Amino acid sequence: GQQVMQIPQYQHVQEGEDFTTYCNSSTTLSNIQWYKQRPGGHPVFLIQLVKSGEVKKQKRLTFQFGEAKKNSSLHITATQTTDVGTYFCPYNQGGKLIFGQGTELSVKP
Amino acid sequence: EADIYQTPRYLVIGTGKKITLECSQTMGHDKMYWYQQDPGMELHLIHYSYGVNSTEKGDLSSESTVSRIRTEHFPLTLESARPSHTSQYLCASSGGRGWIAFFGQGTRLTVV
Repeated sequence: GQQVMQIPQYQHVQEGEDFTTYCNSSTTLSNIQWYKQRPGGHPVFLIQLVKSGEVKKQKRLTFQFGEAKKNSSLHITATQTTDVGTYFCPYNQGGKLIFGQGTELSVKP
Repeated sequence: EADIYQTPRYLVIGTGKKITLECSQTMGHDKMYWYQQDPGMELHLIHYSYGVNSTEKGDLSSESTVSRIRTEHFPLTLESARPSHTSQYLCASSGGRGWIAFFGQGTRLTVV
């Protein structure tokens, strides 16, 4: 069945450093979504990518969908303490929305 | 902000009690989900529903049960709570194309 792996599981950065997390699928995805969960909070939708090779930006966040629609990345430029949290790229498996472990980002001020 | 609500936010109960966690959404979404999440751990799907009278178990086995009698309401019930049920329970809904999910604020359950 479909599998989506997200790496790394944890990332610790100094404030001001860049950060990237990757999602890799064993099969072609129709779309990919990214969510952020702050510590103690609930996941919040960030963005959806649909087209092959699509790139979208939200301020310091850049989201990319691979040409083969099998992978995606989220890049944060010059991290801030407000970026702390866990980032997820869930996938749809026959109607079930599977979130997995995500990437937990911590930022040292 | 999304219109999906969970009550209670926090609940401490004794072992053996029956509890119901409430989840309601006002967006008319067909799909609703329950996730279980321990601190710092991944979100595990325990139940989902495509619509009224449709419920399915998720990937993580759970002793809880759910019902979907109305589109807007997706309660989760534990017949006899145990300390192993201590966790955060998150409800979500999605509708239309794209499966974008909106989450409630969660219920933090502690069974003593």
